[in-house]
Amino acid sequence: RKEVEQDPGPFNVPEGATVAFNCTYSNSASQSFFWYRQDCRKEPKLLMSVYSSGNEDGRFTAQLNRASQYISLLIRDSKLSDSATYLCVVIPVTGGFKTIFGAGTRLFVKA
Amino acid sequence: DGGITQSPKYLFRKEGQNVTLSCEQNLNHDAMYWYRQDPGQGLRLIYYSQIVNDFQKGDIAEGYSVSREKKESFPLTVTSAQKNPTAFYLCASIFFRGGNTEAFFGQGTRLTVV
Repeated sequence: RKEVEQDPGPFNVPEGATVAFNCTYSNSASQSFFWYRQDCRKEPKLLMSVYSSGNEDGRFTAQLNRASQYISLLIRDSKLSDSATYLCVVIPVTGGFKTIFGAGTRLFVKA
Repeated sequence: DGGITQSPKYLFRKEGQNVTLSCEQNLNHDAMYWYRQDPGQGLRLIYYSQIVNDFQKGDIAEGYSVSREKKESFPLTVTSAQKNPTAFYLCASIFFRGGNTEAFFGQGTRLTVV
């Protein structure tokens, strides 16, 4: 089993749709979780951190479920500009902070 | 401005040559990482370093080598033993401070074997 797994997609959605991505992780000692966005041929940029209590930033909501070992990202009212690859990131407290990225989920938002 | 700088942006290598990719940060971060990304794929961890003079292999370390002689610098050498080196290489530095943890990336180096 991979340390971090994501549905690769692609997700093709119309503008205004709500879309959700999940990311599962295998190391129960994982401490920090993030969602990054990567545009084509660019470096990843931080989208948001994921907290145990869940957090929201505008149209984006991130959730963490430690019992089931997954994190999620919900995008409401999708915009064309949301088209990108979304990467989940997991950082454990053990193992020397071996920071692992998921393979990414591609999102295409269409007019 | 603080940041993380990778160079060069594009690099061409002949088969059988070693090449070194530069990564420098002035963010005073302890941890630095090298990832490889192939087209349509995610980031795979090559090597990482938590402190100066110490580094660990990631998931795909074969054919690569690193050094960490200074906190600011974490160069990656792609050796001739790496059979398929053409890829996009990303360097990252991360600071860990309680609930505030964030990875910062360089702009990447595209390596092509010709």
